[in-house]
Amino acid sequence: QKEVEQDPGPLSVPEGAIVSLNCTYSNSAFQYFMWYRQYSRKGPELLMYTYSSGNKEDGRFTAQVDKSSKYISLFIRDSQPSDSATYLCAMSVAAGNKLTFGGGTRVLVKP
Amino acid sequence: DVKVTQSSRYLVKRTGEKVFLECVQDMDHENMFWYRQDPGLGLRLIYFSYDVKMKEKGDIPEGYSVSREKKERFSLILESASTNQTSMYLCASSLGAGTSVPDTQYFGPGTRLTVL
Repeated sequence: QKEVEQDPGPLSVPEGAIVSLNCTYSNSAFQYFMWYRQYSRKGPELLMYTYSSGNKEDGRFTAQVDKSSKYISLFIRDSQPSDSATYLCAMSVAAGNKLTFGGGTRVLVKP
Repeated sequence: DVKVTQSSRYLVKRTGEKVFLECVQDMDHENMFWYRQDPGLGLRLIYFSYDVKMKEKGDIPEGYSVSREKKERFSLILESASTNQTSMYLCASSLGAGTSVPDTQYFGPGTRLTVL
């Protein structure tokens, strides 16, 4: 079993819909939770991160962490075609530690 | 802005060839990483380096070696390329130890390697 599981998709939604992405993990020592976005033929770039449990909002993006369920989510409100990308979750035990990535979910937002 | 560059976007090599993938970062970062990315498997860490001449194995180091002679440059070496090493290779760098927030990794554009 992988340490971090993520549905590969693709997840296809109409423009303006809410996109809901999630990851489950098995290592209860993970403290830092990140979401990376990767456009086609590019490297991943950090979208946002959360420390421990709780919610974090940044514009149209909301990240949630539920450590008791070992489950994290990313919501994208008012989705745009430019949000079409692969979204990868990543986790680490400590601030400077190496990251463990999920497999990524491909998202398609149709105009 | 941090810039991480990789020597080639696309590379085609033959089985048994020695392959060098080069990565350069321009932000004086301590840490550098090599990943491979395969459909459904996500990013898997091959090797990382937290200082010049220092290296540590990641999750899948078999068949690979690395070299870091200068702080800004991290090379991935396939001693004898095999077809199962056909993949997208991504290099990343991060600030390093002592950061109080997640040590954000900045990625290069990737090298798509095909081994025939």
